[in-house]
Amino acid sequence: DGGITQSPKYLFRKEGQNVTLSCEQNLNHDAMYWYRQDPGQGLRLIYYSQIVNDFQKGDIAEGYSVSREKKESFPLTVTSAQKNPTAFYLCASSISISTATYEQYFGPGTRLTVT
Amino acid sequence: ILNVEQSPQSLHVQEGDSTNFTCSFPSSNFYALHWYRWETAKSPEALFVMTLNGDEKKKGRISATLNTKEGYSYLYIKGSQPEDSATYLCALYQAGTALIFGKGTTLSVSS
Repeated sequence: DGGITQSPKYLFRKEGQNVTLSCEQNLNHDAMYWYRQDPGQGLRLIYYSQIVNDFQKGDIAEGYSVSREKKESFPLTVTSAQKNPTAFYLCASSISISTATYEQYFGPGTRLTVT
Repeated sequence: ILNVEQSPQSLHVQEGDSTNFTCSFPSSNFYALHWYRWETAKSPEALFVMTLNGDEKKKGRISATLNTKEGYSYLYIKGSQPEDSATYLCALYQAGTALIFGKGTTLSVSS
């Protein structure tokens, strides 16, 4: 089955630790995205990648880092510099970022809790 | 940063009621508007992608219209069913970058 997988579903970390969220897609999509959702907020863009070895900051990139070494993988690291890391994180992909009509496909999300 | 507004934030209807909600966006440099449905414990899924002013799209009991000149889109659900309960997100496409999402409208349909 084609789709996007995120692991784990729930993640717990102590404050001060870096943590990496996994996102893998087998849709052969060029573009991948990371969003964060907080209660009462919409999906806010953290980082996006148009192609392998390229990525751009979104609206709330501070305290996060990403890599795109393979087309199918776009891991997100939440660093200790992120002041409020507890949130629900969604990964998405699309065929390309350059065409307005390409819809995004989403993973199931990871709920991160930092105490 | 462009702003995409959705209203109402939430609504509750009875089974069989028809309902609609609004997505507002800046009308300048418009390319496309996306609608997604996000059911609890599932991933968001695309409903419609709309590009042309006056466009109307339909999928079963759900339809959407687009007015790019005044910067709004309506999503209609005819004869709501409990399975329509979800958060409905609209998102504006910006050229060469990612979608900008509204905060969503959460619909609850009771039987």
